[in-house]
Amino acid sequence: QSVLTQPPSTSGTPGQTVTISCSGSSSNIGGNNHVYWYQQLPGTAPKLLIYRNNQRPSGVPDRFSGSKSGTSGSLAISGLRSEDEADYYCATWDDRRSAWVFGGGTKLAVL
Amino acid sequence: EAQLVESGGGLVQPGGSLRLSCVASGFIFKSYDMHWVRQITGKGLEWLSGIPVAGDPHYPGSVKGRFTISRENGENSLYLQIRNLRGGDTAVYYCVRRSGNSGAFDIWGQGTTVIVSS
Repeated sequence: QSVLTQPPSTSGTPGQTVTISCSGSSSNIGGNNHVYWYQQLPGTAPKLLIYRNNQRPSGVPDRFSGSKSGTSGSLAISGLRSEDEADYYCATWDDRRSAWVFGGGTKLAVL
Repeated sequence: EAQLVESGGGLVQPGGSLRLSCVASGFIFKSYDMHWVRQITGKGLEWLSGIPVAGDPHYPGSVKGRFTISRENGENSLYLQIRNLRGGDTAVYYCVRRSGNSGAFDIWGQGTTVIVSS
């Protein structure tokens, strides 16, 4: 059972917007810790997608956006493309556990 | 280009030990906190340990005592010693750099696979 809760799967059609949620608690996201998002394409290592809740590293398209509110974070992908099919993970620091924690991951299918 | 390359994975018997290695290139290794993250096949990511630029390593409670992280800055290398291996340790182990600016795990290695089986 992951400390951060994500939906196991989601889907969309090309061009659509999908949102992936990441639910935590007062000891992690709600405790003023940043939310990070990682994209893992099939057979590859995770790649940083969003840092500090809503910042994009250079090279990440602006179709990807992040937000945080209270004890939850979310990742939005607009203008969905087939190459966005991947697993998406949220992460943050947990003050009570003194550990980095990840969500269980969300598998995105582009239909 | 910043790069991390892990090695040392393989087939190990239950109860055995293993030392994973990670060689960094393309950045000033000694200036970054480094971490290990693993992924059981078909499952999510699990943070295993981190070692700062200066100071003591830290571990989640789930692995304390069996896992030891270390670094050798002169060799641009990161290590993870795992003792008393169990079937549940079968996973891909990633070496990861943490950015001081963004706070993110911004560079990941390709991973090395550990299989614990008799």
